[in-house]
Amino acid sequence: ETGVTQSPTHLIKTRGQQVTLRCSSQSGHNTVSWYQQALGQGPQFIFQYYREEENGRGNFPPRFSGLQFPNYSSELNVNALELDDSALYLCASSLAGTWTEAFFGQGTRLTVV
Amino acid sequence: SQQGEEDPQALSIQEGENATMNCSYKTSINNLQWYRQNSGRGLVHLILIRSNEREKHSGRLRVTLDTSKKSSSLLITASRAADTASYFCATPRSNDYKLSFGAGTTVTVRA
Repeated sequence: ETGVTQSPTHLIKTRGQQVTLRCSSQSGHNTVSWYQQALGQGPQFIFQYYREEENGRGNFPPRFSGLQFPNYSSELNVNALELDDSALYLCASSLAGTWTEAFFGQGTRLTVV
Repeated sequence: SQQGEEDPQALSIQEGENATMNCSYKTSINNLQWYRQNSGRGLVHLILIRSNEREKHSGRLRVTLDTSKKSSSLLITASRAADTASYFCATPRSNDYKLSFGAGTTVTVRA
């Protein structure tokens, strides 16, 4: 088990609603990345946060936004939920500027109905 | 777009057999990483191989890397039921270290 924790583990929302997912990074890691994984697919990079600033973004619309806090924990916010947002959302922590592995949390399963 | 692509998409083997899966990627890399995912849970890092390495071992895992062919393979020897999972290769982008994943290989180990 990694030291990365995500909450909640499961969530059901209605189309059009907003959702906030949370992630606590592994001790000593200053970078948090978020990934979306649709069923049967590999994780897709959403964005990364370093020193409380967004540090790169994948091909996701602005209704996907995030925050990183001074203790390096992070939030992912999704506004105006769509059915296609149903997926497993994964948080990963790592050390900035290093070619090392990422440590993933167990994910949040979001279902939009 | 995905940098790595795994092959085959699915693999079913008997307990005790070896499982081999391949990964191809498109651009030059600093390293290539393999992750395991059990049934819709988080990813677990298995092994990292650097671009100047050709082979690496970790327990029952053996990874090879051929940078001239832009491909890697993961071999699991003497498979166990607990090896049933999806396996992904991932490469960090050279400018920002962000991981790019393939669609994965689903391995089923039959008792």
